[in-house]
Amino acid sequence: QITLKESGPTLVKPTQTLTLTCTFSGFSLSTSGVGVGWIRQPPGKALEWLALIYWDDDKSYTPSLRTRLTITKDTSKNQVVLTLTNMDPVDTATYYCAHRRTYSPFDMWGQGTMVTVSS
Amino acid sequence: QSVLTQPPSVSGAPGQRVTISCTGSSSNIGAGYDVHWYQQLPGTAPKLLIYDNINRPSGVPDRFSGSKSGSSASLAITGLQAVDEADYYCQSYDSSLVVFGGGTKLTVL
Repeated sequence: QITLKESGPTLVKPTQTLTLTCTFSGFSLSTSGVGVGWIRQPPGKALEWLALIYWDDDKSYTPSLRTRLTITKDTSKNQVVLTLTNMDPVDTATYYCAHRRTYSPFDMWGQGTMVTVSS
Repeated sequence: QSVLTQPPSVSGAPGQRVTISCTGSSSNIGAGYDVHWYQQLPGTAPKLLIYDNINRPSGVPDRFSGSKSGSSASLAITGLQAVDEADYYCQSYDSSLVVFGGGTKLTVL
């Protein structure tokens, strides 16, 4: 059974760096084809894909946030970490991590973690 | 502005059939990329509803169906039930990057 859970701060100040951790079980990020993605959703708004990392350390980012995003993995800890620099109030959102395989859908999602950006 | 365009809202009475469209372009759906659909019940994480245009994951009722033609895709829900009231999102790829639609709120009257 695949499960994922996001963790991190609930409140960050403008200009700070957000670091979120996705801890998962039921699969390994060392298995060929496996990936973990991050998706966010501002309150009352649509889903926005942020980043993806695969078993072979291949990474991709949404173009609009590429310069601010970094995604990494720790296979031994079953964790994926997302950092987003220079946080702004518009980055206030629920952040989800999700499991997928190459060119497959996000078939399992974490519960999400709400992050508010405010001074 | 989402790359994939969905109607902001649709509604229907219990038992009726509704469809939700997802319109893309030649760089995403029209390029042959598959479309996936997610259902997001209020206050919960999205759940995979349809994958690879037409397939239902185990446990999804056959009241839900998907189709794709050209640069567009559609989600159809028949025998509408109150529990179907949710937000629905399409997802595909654009130049190999993940893109979502803007979401559609389904209201069951």
